[in-house]
Amino acid sequence: ETGVTQTPRHLVMGMTNKKSLKCEQHLGHNAMYWYKQSAKKPLELMFVYSLEERVENNSVPSRFSPECPNSSHLFLHLHTLQPEDSALYLCASSLERGRGGYTFGSGTRLTVV
Amino acid sequence: GENVEQHPSTLSVQEGDSAVIKCTYSDSASNYFPWYKQELGKGPQLIIDIRSNVGEKKDQRIAVTLNKTAKHFSLHITETLPEDSAVYFCAASTEGGSEKLVFGKGTKLTVNP
Repeated sequence: ETGVTQTPRHLVMGMTNKKSLKCEQHLGHNAMYWYKQSAKKPLELMFVYSLEERVENNSVPSRFSPECPNSSHLFLHLHTLQPEDSALYLCASSLERGRGGYTFGSGTRLTVV
Repeated sequence: GENVEQHPSTLSVQEGDSAVIKCTYSDSASNYFPWYKQELGKGPQLIIDIRSNVGEKKDQRIAVTLNKTAKHFSLHITETLPEDSAVYFCAASTEGGSEKLVFGKGTKLTVNP
């Protein structure tokens, strides 16, 4: 375990479903990130939260909606996804935004059918 | 913005041999260069990092070198073991600046027993 826990590990959802991914860290980190990892592509940064405030949204479609209720928890709410959204979604945290190494969770493998 | 190129995309070596993975970056302001190892079914894990005020850093069998003039940095693994088999990612960011970690596409390393 890295200290960043993601649930669920696997998720299959239909295009009309609504689901949420959860990320939790108790490392005392102030910044949290959502990344999308697709085959043969670089890791794509989706959202950045620093001290619970969203500081970056990398042109992500509105069908992905992040939420950071406190500095230890991060959610990614999903609705009306497309098959091309199938990927591994990784959560990461760092001590401060953009400073030092990131600690990643194991990811949620999402399949949209 | 920053662009990170990583080569090779796949690398196969015999146990005991050395492995070298190379990355180039485009933004001369980048000053932080971490390397991550991703094993099957897990998220990326930070294995070593280097900042632009040093040219080389070593941790047991792993070393990273940085050439700021040429804007490239490399990961060296000596005396490879089968458990070194994984996907390795390089990344670059500007601490105190853009602060965004930009990743390479990854190198799949296979160490044959």
